[in-house]
Amino acid sequence: AQSVAQPEDQVNVAEGNPLTVKCTYSVSGNPYLFWYVQYPNRGLQFLLKYITGDNLVKGSYGFEAEFNKSQTSFHLKKPSALVSDSALYFCAVPFSGAGSYQLTFGKGTKLSVIP
Amino acid sequence: EAQVTQNPRYLITVTGKKLTVTCSQNMNHEYMSWYRQDPGLGLRQIYYSMNVEVTDKGDVPEGYKVSRKEKRNFPLILESPSPNQTSLYFCASSRSREPQYEQYFGPGTRLTVT
Repeated sequence: AQSVAQPEDQVNVAEGNPLTVKCTYSVSGNPYLFWYVQYPNRGLQFLLKYITGDNLVKGSYGFEAEFNKSQTSFHLKKPSALVSDSALYFCAVPFSGAGSYQLTFGKGTKLSVIP
Repeated sequence: EAQVTQNPRYLITVTGKKLTVTCSQNMNHEYMSWYRQDPGLGLRQIYYSMNVEVTDKGDVPEGYKVSRKEKRNFPLILESPSPNQTSLYFCASSRSREPQYEQYFGPGTRLTVT
């Protein structure tokens, strides 16, 4: 069955330290993979996506993600966390059907960056 | 400014009283979708639309209706709301029905059904 999972409900990291938010997937064929961020009382914002090509994808606000096909993972990373990065992060995978697709989200990971 | 708008932003209603949440995008996007967000469950898709007059069920369509009469608008209708539909709702749009394009989200509508 096709699925997407975020194994950590919450991640705490000190300001200035590197951060990682994990995502794993189960998809038949080559996947498209997305990360979105939700700041408090806001809608979701697109951060980055993997379509094809280079396994390291760079996105908004200094975030990047590494596609690892053998481990079926797409972890979100940032070299140096900011307090303003504190938010809810969602990994998402579109599952294609007949002529269209449905975007399926992981349950989200709450990132707290501690000053 | 390119955006997805939703109205109302907050709504408190009673069981059984029909309501409509409007969604509009100004980006000439082909694909539109509705999601609900609940604690511990993430976002789940309610309905989506690939283009005008083309809609399909998502993962949790029960109790909801949608229509897509114009490209820019995609209202969500709750004909007889129940307390289990208390949730945070998001509308989203994407330039194409193809899955490689990112979605743009509205600010959300917080619905409480008593």
